[in-house]
Amino acid sequence: EVQLVQSGAEVKKPGESLRISCKGSGYIFSNYWINWVRQMPGKGLEWMGRIDPSDSYAIYSPSFQGHVTISTDKSISAAYLQWSSLKASDTAIYYCARLNLLPDYWGQGTQVTVSS
Amino acid sequence: QSVLAQPPSTSGTPGQRVTISCSGSTSNIGSKTVNWYQQFPGTAPKLLIYSNNQRPSGVPDRFSGSKSGTSASLAISGLQSEDEADYHCAAWDDSLKGVVFGGGTKLTVL
Repeated sequence: EVQLVQSGAEVKKPGESLRISCKGSGYIFSNYWINWVRQMPGKGLEWMGRIDPSDSYAIYSPSFQGHVTISTDKSISAAYLQWSSLKASDTAIYYCARLNLLPDYWGQGTQVTVSS
Repeated sequence: QSVLAQPPSTSGTPGQRVTISCSGSTSNIGSKTVNWYQQFPGTAPKLLIYSNNQRPSGVPDRFSGSKSGTSASLAISGLQSEDEADYHCAAWDDSLKGVVFGGGTKLTVL
């Protein structure tokens, strides 16, 4: 059974750094790109970027380029989304999703709350 | 502002048929396949329709998808109270080289 399991909820202050994770199982992790998707409170889904676990090549949406970093460690079937300096506007639920032409399997989501 | 346009809300009564539209452009829906996702409050999106009109195993045949030109539609027939959820469309965009989503449609079963 394909599963993507994400790390738990985080509460951070503005300016702090953060890395959240997404661990895949039940399939060959290197064979499918991993996407990160943001959902702000009461809003729709926004594609942030994707990474190819086989070579760690990442592409970012222009809306998120320079503000987040997507990485992967294929040896443990994990993908990561990180911020070096969080803003209050980063408060949202972040989902990882496996890409099979388009997202098919999704993680359960990680709530990130940024508040002073 | 989402790249794909969906109505923010729609409603229907039990047993009715409802459709949700998703409008895009030649760089996404016009040249690529469309997926639909169902999302209940507090949960992750779940794949409902893939490749325009294919249902994953376990999705009732009350749900169907179609695509024409730069638009796609999700139809739900025999509406049930448990269908009340948010529905999102998605497509690959050749210009962005990434996934574009609609803004989501909240379906209310009256």
